Amino acid sequence: EAGVAQSPRYKIIEKRQSVAFWCNPISGHATLYWYQQILGQGPKLLIQFQNNGVVDDSQLPKDRFSAERLKGVDSTLKIQPAKLEDSAVYLCASSVGLAVTTDTQYFGPGTRLTVL
Amino acid sequence: GEDVEQSLFLSVREGDSSVINCTYTDSSSTYLYWYKQEPGAGLQLLTYIFSNMDMKQDQRLTVLLNKKDKHLSLRIADTQTGDSAIYFCAESKGNTGNQFYFGTGTSLTVIP
Repeated sequence: EAGVAQSPRYKIIEKRQSVAFWCNPISGHATLYWYQQILGQGPKLLIQFQNNGVVDDSQLPKDRFSAERLKGVDSTLKIQPAKLEDSAVYLCASSVGLAVTTDTQYFGPGTRLTVL
Repeated sequence: GEDVEQSLFLSVREGDSSVINCTYTDSSSTYLYWYKQEPGAGLQLLTYIFSNMDMKQDQRLTVLLNKKDKHLSLRIADTQTGDSAIYFCAESKGNTGNQFYFGTGTSLTVIP
């Protein structure tokens, strides 16, 4: 079974530029998550989709971050404009349904963003 | 709040047991999890425990939960070099467990 795919794996941009990340979840998984992991910290949930609807985006900085999951499969996360403090690894995860009991979240390898 | 704290580093000798500790502040947590993150890789779920349990064993892994003290631990028996990684505890809350919070991570180094 193919895992969660993310691209690009690495991205370096200058502050105030825009950037987009792409995630392809495991086939059949209804729920998709985007996390931000700053160096030395645990992942922080940015947004959670179930199918193409948003379940939780309470920690998403909506003035500069946006995400969509058109058609309920792939998802893109965009930062516009980027700030230095956005440097982090952006992790995508998917699960069959909502994250309870055995509904395991499967993580992709992440996209490492460096903002100069 | 959603503060989940862990000690940053742990070193053990190969063959010894490792104990990784985690404290959390929100007593409404539904489930508590342990994830493993190897360099350059995503997080891998190791095990989880429901908040009304106090212990769970899964092969070399033993999870202990002290709900009164809001303390969670992961014991790895017979630690191997392949166990070297960062270990995160995480809690989920909410009626459907969809609020998910990770700890700061503990870097485990296994010395041959």
